[in-house]
Amino acid sequence: AQSVTQLDSQVPVFEEAPVELRCNYSSSVSVYLFWYVQYPNQGLQLLLKYLSGSTLVESINGFEAEFNKSQTSFHLRKPSVHISDTAEYFCAVSVRGAQKLVFGQGTRLTINP
Amino acid sequence: DAGVIQSPRHEVTEMGQEVTLRCKPISGHDYLFWYRQTMMRGLELLIYFNNNVPIDDSGMPEDRFSAKMPNASFSTLKIQPSEPRDSAVYFCASSLRQSGNTIYFGEGSWLTVV
Repeated sequence: AQSVTQLDSQVPVFEEAPVELRCNYSSSVSVYLFWYVQYPNQGLQLLLKYLSGSTLVESINGFEAEFNKSQTSFHLRKPSVHISDTAEYFCAVSVRGAQKLVFGQGTRLTINP
Repeated sequence: DAGVIQSPRHEVTEMGQEVTLRCKPISGHDYLFWYRQTMMRGLELLIYFNNNVPIDDSGMPEDRFSAKMPNASFSTLKIQPSEPRDSAVYFCASSLRQSGNTIYFGEGSWLTVV
């Protein structure tokens, strides 16, 4: 079975500082990897995903994540955060060929002015 | 385009009452998922359907929970009888196999059982 570990439950940073949200997964087969974002009182929105090809994937709002197969990681990074990035971020994994996602516990990103 | 639509958005009910949550997936999607989110357990997959057929219901907590998908555009999640520990946010989500496992979530149904 697959599992996802998000190493930090909360990450406080100052505005315009860089941030990294860590995600490690466990699977014996090839996987797809995702980051979802949940703003307060809303549903989850897809931020970015890795299916195949380049191991570095980017979102439209400046986030990026790198698939590292040897370390079974998919850490999310942004070089300069904004107040509007305050949200909970979920890493998720699915097995290639299967549709269901397994989510990590989430990391709450708090941006301080 | 309309996303996944859930109703009700908020529900407060008394213990022992029946609760029915509803979901309309994105048109054309062939997978539908029900997730539950709580502070203690995070996001849990309860059940999912493919072409209206339940594929995996191993996440359904107990017999008080049931889910149906009578057609491609509608699904329900029912709790009978409800208990305070069922209080959570219930998310419906849908996907299309060709989209590479990308799942689209609704806004959630916020359930409080008192």
